[in-house]
Amino acid sequence: AQSVTQPDIHITVSEGASLELRCNYSYGATPYLFWYVQSPGQGLQLLLKYFSGDTLVQGIKGFEAEFKRSQSSFNLRKPSVHWSDAAEYFCAVGAGTNFGNEKLTFGTGTRLTIIP
Amino acid sequence: SAVISQKPSRDICQRGTSLTIQCQVDSQVTMMFWYRQQPGQSLTLIATANQGSEATYESGFVIDKFPISRPNLTFSTLTVSNMSPEDSSIYLCSAKDRVNTEAFFGQGTRLTVV
Repeated sequence: AQSVTQPDIHITVSEGASLELRCNYSYGATPYLFWYVQSPGQGLQLLLKYFSGDTLVQGIKGFEAEFKRSQSSFNLRKPSVHWSDAAEYFCAVGAGTNFGNEKLTFGTGTRLTIIP
Repeated sequence: SAVISQKPSRDICQRGTSLTIQCQVDSQVTMMFWYRQQPGQSLTLIATANQGSEATYESGFVIDKFPISRPNLTFSTLTVSNMSPEDSSIYLCSAKDRVNTEAFFGQGTRLTVV
């Protein structure tokens, strides 16, 4: 069974500073990997996804993530954070036998706080 | 991208009662899922809602407690039965299809059981 580990429960970053959120996964085959963001009281919004091809993927809001198979990692990065980036971030892995029906397993999330 | 609407957005319920949550998608989708997010926790998959057949439940979740319907390709309901305070959570509906590869989520239903 697949699993996801987000080692950082809470991260505080100054506005304008760079950001990296860590995500490690466990899955026997090539995974489908996702980063979602959840703002307070809101549902989940997809930031970016990786299925195959280029291991550096670009997402919305200036985020990017790099898939490293050797490290089983899919870390999320942003060069300069904005106060509006304060939210909960979830890494997820999708696994299934048929394309399109994979279920998602989520990490425990990382809460991002931005300070002026 | 699919737009998912959930009703109600929040509710406060008495223990022992049941609540039915509705999920409406603005386009036909192949897969619909229900997740639970307990306070301060991550999302846990409850079940996959199958159109025209019984839902597929994950370990730890049973049909008697969380009956699910999916009468067509755009609509599903989740019922939380015989509620206790431990059922206080956010319940999220999710949908995906074979054209787009990501899952879309509704805004969630925040349930408080008193």
